[in-house]
Amino acid sequence: DAKTTQPNSMESNEEEPVHLPCNHSTISGTDYIHWYRQLPSQGPEYVIHGLTSNVNNRMASLAIAEDRKSSTLILHRATLRDAAVYYCILSDLNTGTASKLTFGTGTRLQVTL
Amino acid sequence: GAVVSQHPSRVICKSGTSVKIECRSLDFQATTMFWYRQFPKQSLMLMATSNEGSKATYEQGVEKDKFLINHASLTLSTLTVTSAHPEDSSFYICSARRASGNTGELFFGEGSRLTVL
Repeated sequence: DAKTTQPNSMESNEEEPVHLPCNHSTISGTDYIHWYRQLPSQGPEYVIHGLTSNVNNRMASLAIAEDRKSSTLILHRATLRDAAVYYCILSDLNTGTASKLTFGTGTRLQVTL
Repeated sequence: GAVVSQHPSRVICKSGTSVKIECRSLDFQATTMFWYRQFPKQSLMLMATSNEGSKATYEQGVEKDKFLINHASLTLSTLTVTSAHPEDSSFYICSARRASGNTGELFFGEGSRLTVL
């Protein structure tokens, strides 16, 4: 599986935007970029995923570089409930429902008042 | 959204006993489920892929006789930790995708915290 590189931790003030970076220089043409987050003592939660174009949903936006070697998860207005570990993961969805997700170390986001 | 439920959420057992953890997809069918393990302050480690009606596929280094996986129906997979020892104490998490209408999203259970005394 192609690997991703994320900063270990980031801090943000509440109600400000947060940009979480992810490098994936060895991404293949069929790899999708997924973002999940994990709150303390809970299972991970899906945030967003994309292939080439930028994506928006109710939780966040995903900006994908033109060469696809990096991406950025954007939380438009961070709240205290967004404090979590955010994982950027590559996976080939063309393998269908059996497509595995291999988690890296992620970025621990701290949100302060 | 789709829901994956695990039971029990917490279990404490004596060393040498076996513990079964259930993972259910409550409102969708899943031909494939995944089992992860997470130690404190570490990331999730994929243990095995559970396939409905067939044998599970284990990741390298995971003992299949130690961690028995059964996926007897499209909504239930079980993980049995056999002859548990203190080093098996961990947070076990299952996940699943929809068998039909797959959007690529993987739904995770709440996790089951195992403590072996």
